[in-house]
Amino acid sequence: DGGITQSPKYLFRKEGQNVTLSCEQNLNHDAMYWYRQDPGQGLRLIYYSQIVNDFQKGDIAEGYSVSREKKESFPLTVTSAQKNPTAFYLCASQGALTYEQYFGPGTRLTVT
Amino acid sequence: DQQVKQNSPSLSVQEGRISILNCDYTNSMFDYFLWYKKYPAEGPTFLISISSIKDKNEDGRFTVFLNKSAKHLSLHIVPSQPGDSAVYFCAASADRGSTLGRLYFGRGTQLTVWP
Repeated sequence: DGGITQSPKYLFRKEGQNVTLSCEQNLNHDAMYWYRQDPGQGLRLIYYSQIVNDFQKGDIAEGYSVSREKKESFPLTVTSAQKNPTAFYLCASQGALTYEQYFGPGTRLTVT
Repeated sequence: DQQVKQNSPSLSVQEGRISILNCDYTNSMFDYFLWYKKYPAEGPTFLISISSIKDKNEDGRFTVFLNKSAKHLSLHIVPSQPGDSAVYFCAASADRGSTLGRLYFGRGTQLTVWP
């Protein structure tokens, strides 16, 4: 069945290490997005991509990197330059004929 | 700068009553608005939306009202049920003519429906 998968559900890393969060969709959606949720902050946009091999910075891109080599996949790398990486990360996708974004289940990243 | 604002971080309503969640926006270019519902440790799910050419959209127990002159929208849930307890996010789109634009989200309102 169609949907968005994010793996893993929980991720633990030591400070100073880069970590890559996976996001895959089989909805044939053109656009994909990465958000970060912190308590009281709502959803903040990190990066988004409207087409393969192209992506744009969102509001809080510093310390993150992405790639979009395939339509189905949009991995997010949290680098050691990200000062506060511990958060709940959400991936979303969107089709060309609708405004609605569809979200994955999220990955809780904890960096100690 | 927060272009979509949900000024009430929480709302508590008795089961069976009406829940009214409010959202204000500052960008007059916004032309499509959405509401999402989110349970803890899960991704948000789309609830209902409204185009700027309308002032009301209804789907079952959920109705969204848009007041463009006041740059204000609200979500009404009638009757409220305990399963409605979740965080509700308001979102807006400004990419006229294209649906593949980013959404701007508010910070959310935690709705609690008690028996």
